[in-house]
Order: sequence, then C-alpha cells, then structure tokens
Amino acid sequence: EVQLLESGGGLVQPGGSLRLSCAASGFSFSSYGMSWVRQAPGKGLEWVSGISGGGNSTYYADPVKGRFTISRDNSRNTLYLQLNSLGAEDTALYYCAKDLFTVSYWYFDLWGRGTLVTVSS
Amino acid sequence: SYVLTQPSSVSVSPGQTASITCSGDKLGDKYASWYQQKPGQSPVLVIYQDDQRPSGIPERFSGSNSGNSATLTISGTQAMDEAGYYCQAWDSSNVVFGGGTKLTVL
Repeated sequence: EVQLLESGGGLVQPGGSLRLSCAASGFSFSSYGMSWVRQAPGKGLEWVSGISGGGNSTYYADPVKGRFTISRDNSRNTLYLQLNSLGAEDTALYYCAKDLFTVSYWYFDLWGRGTLVTVSS
Repeated sequence: SYVLTQPSSVSVSPGQTASITCSGDKLGDKYASWYQQKPGQSPVLVIYQDDQRPSGIPERFSGSNSGNSATLTISGTQAMDEAGYYCQAWDSSNVVFGGGTKLTVL
C-alpha cells in the first residue's frame, strides 16, 4: 500500500526542539522529492520545507530558515524534519507529502495523516 | 513573496456548478494545483498542472488557469464535495498555498 506515516510530534516548551519522522512505503522513495507542509489549528496549509530525491537539494520557507532542517535516509525510506528554537507560531499539524517537482511545476500527490506539534509552556 | 488569494467561502446548490477562484500576479505563467480537504482529513490532490485530474478524481472536477487567475470548477456539485479547497503554485523555489475556500453545498 502506498502511504506516508508521520511520527515524533508532541508537546514542547518554547525554545525547545523536536524531530519529526515520516516513513514511506509502496513507492520508490529515493525517486521522489518530499516536503513537509503544516497547518495551524483552524488555519490553512503552509509549506515548510522540501528535499530532492537524492537529498542533495533542500528548500525552506522563510519563517523556518535557520531553525528547521530537512533530511532523508533513502536506505530506511524515511524523511525527517528537525525543529529547533520552537515558538508558539510553530504549533501545527505537520504533514509529510510526496512531491512531483520539475522546473515547471511542484505539487503533492500523496499526503500522510500528520503529526501534531504543540509549543507551550 | 508571492501571494495567492482565494475567497474565504463559496456556496452552491446541489447539482449546480461551483467555481472557486485563485488570484496571483501572472499566475497564468505558472502551473496551479488544487487540493480538497474535508474536516479531520488530510488534503487530497484534485487538479494538477492547471487542468489535469489524478486517477480516481471524478470528471466533475476541472481546472483552468490564465492571466492572473486559476479556477477550480465542480460541475453537478454533490453533498460529498463540501470541503475546504486550496490552490497552490510555486515561485522562486518556494511553494505557495492560497488561504483556502470553504465550499458549502446547500
């Protein structure tokens, strides 16, 4: 079955860190770019970060640059997101998504169920 | 940074046609995608590359994109289509989503 399964979310204090994981199955993981997209409670979708299939290229949204790090382990079919210096504005459901990305287009054809990150003291 | 603007809500009667717009500077020069999200569920891709439908998406979903606007059209809208809809494009290595439109079928 083609699926993405996120884990690693939880309650963390402001200024704290967390590492999210996304286990992929049912497709050739290393052949596709992957992204993290988040959704604050009751709000819209916000792209956070993306990484190429080989892991050589990474991309970040301005609000998370310098604080978050995306990576992947193709031998384990797993995507990661390291979250540092967390603030209340980072509270959200974090989705892992499979990319279709070229110089002309970038979209997401498979989404996980999400993992919830709550930043609060 | 690039901005995509959607109406916050659209209402349609069952069986009628719903149109949801997405506006952005020269959006027609980029490819637009659309996602459906029902309450408590993950987003689902319904249109990609302006007007392409993924397998499993009903034919009543269609898309267009030109000038400064992209449009998602749902023909013969059904109650099951009531959901949030998000447009998306990318610009300068950044992915951008619209703010989302709540489609109400009443």
